[in-house]
Amino acid sequence: GAGVSQSPSNKVTEKGKDVELRCDPISGHTALYWYRQSLGQGLEFLIYFQGNSAPDKSGLPSDRFSAERTGGSVSTLTIQRTQQEDSAVYLCASSLAGSNTGELFFGEGSRLTVL
Amino acid sequence: GDSVTQMEGPVTLSEEACLTINCTYTATGYPSLFWYVQYPGEGLQLLLKATKADDKGSNKGFEATYRKETTSFHLEKGSVQVSDSAVYFCALRKRGDYKLSFGAGTTVTVRA
Repeated sequence: GAGVSQSPSNKVTEKGKDVELRCDPISGHTALYWYRQSLGQGLEFLIYFQGNSAPDKSGLPSDRFSAERTGGSVSTLTIQRTQQEDSAVYLCASSLAGSNTGELFFGEGSRLTVL
Repeated sequence: GDSVTQMEGPVTLSEEACLTINCTYTATGYPSLFWYVQYPGEGLQLLLKATKADDKGSNKGFEATYRKETTSFHLEKGSVQVSDSAVYFCALRKRGDYKLSFGAGTTVTVRA
């Protein structure tokens, strides 16, 4: 498709299980971002990729969170041993490398519910 | 650190009413400022932006002016429509940085 695609759109899991969230950015966009949106909170930055490298992982909340990007395209955000506080909408965005416009293109998000 | 504070919602108003959503920021230097909008069932999309003081961003009847002296970037629309119902996010980006810092979002509902 033409836009950023995320899957699954909804995920319900039990506490302690691992989950994987996938993001397929716009073709040609080398910059990729993961954000988290919790109820009543703003968008919390998690990690930034430029190509396959992640120069900024500063937003990952704990070592249970990891992300990778392969082929400069698809990215996977993995949350191990999920906790209830991980419940949120996880948003992926992409942009052109070196873009100074600040325009990020967002997917619709993956809503994670940890029971 | 850099941060954005925007007025809390939700905001409910009638069609053709005036809308103002306040946004103030804290940042070193002169960041670029943005408003993003999230319509129901859709991803966030850029609504407008301003990159330097006194710049005015505008789109779809919305306007916001970059005010350095008050560190503000308030979003305004003179006559809203039902289709403007959405969540609005104010954001900033420091010069030379790649990531955006977002406010908490303001939910706006316009009734016919």
